[in-house]
Amino acid sequence: QKEVEQNSGPLSVPEGAIASLNCTYSDRGSQSFFWYRQYSGKSPELIMFIYSNGDKEDGRFTAQLNKASQYVSLLIRDSQPSDSATYLCAVKWGGGADGLTFGKGTHLIIQP
Amino acid sequence: KAGVTQTPRYLIKTRGQQVTLSCSPISGHRSVSWYQQTPGQGLQFLFEYFSETQRNKGNFPGRFSGRQFSNSRSEMNVSTLELGDSALYLCASSAMTASSYNEQFFGPGTRLTVL
Repeated sequence: QKEVEQNSGPLSVPEGAIASLNCTYSDRGSQSFFWYRQYSGKSPELIMFIYSNGDKEDGRFTAQLNKASQYVSLLIRDSQPSDSATYLCAVKWGGGADGLTFGKGTHLIIQP
Repeated sequence: KAGVTQTPRYLIKTRGQQVTLSCSPISGHRSVSWYQQTPGQGLQFLFEYFSETQRNKGNFPGRFSGRQFSNSRSEMNVSTLELGDSALYLCASSAMTASSYNEQFFGPGTRLTVL
């Protein structure tokens, strides 16, 4: 069974601080990893993706991947109240045409 | 470039009825995937179409089906609706090119309520 696990939260972070969101996955054969942000009542919005070990930075966001430990994380620097949302981790498994397997998301609250 | 569009946005049906949902992918995208989102189960993969062929299917009963047309537009159908089919149905499109990592971009979704 291929699973993606996230802490559901809520994770409360003061404005201006770094928010750290974590995700673990069950299958070492996984290929690509995606972070989506979903505001209440809206559809998921792609923030960034990562496919190789290490860090990938895009503006205030940094994705970190450690395939040996089977985890991927998302750091949000200088957190803003507008970052308050549910963050979904998604994994695309290798070797086939599978869709994305999503975690259930972490609810992030940025406190002004 | 226009995003993914889904119609209708909201739908109310009764048990036993069937429903058809439509999705138009981003221009140039050839892959369309469908997902069901519920509070209890989260986002779950239904199926993926590429060049009018279903490439993979998630763990859903046969009441859930889909198809893709030559212009990449896709429809999904749910027959004999059950109360548990009430959910947000999301369509995602992907370029599926050799140079992409198949990032999927979601449409606004169709909110289905089964009474």
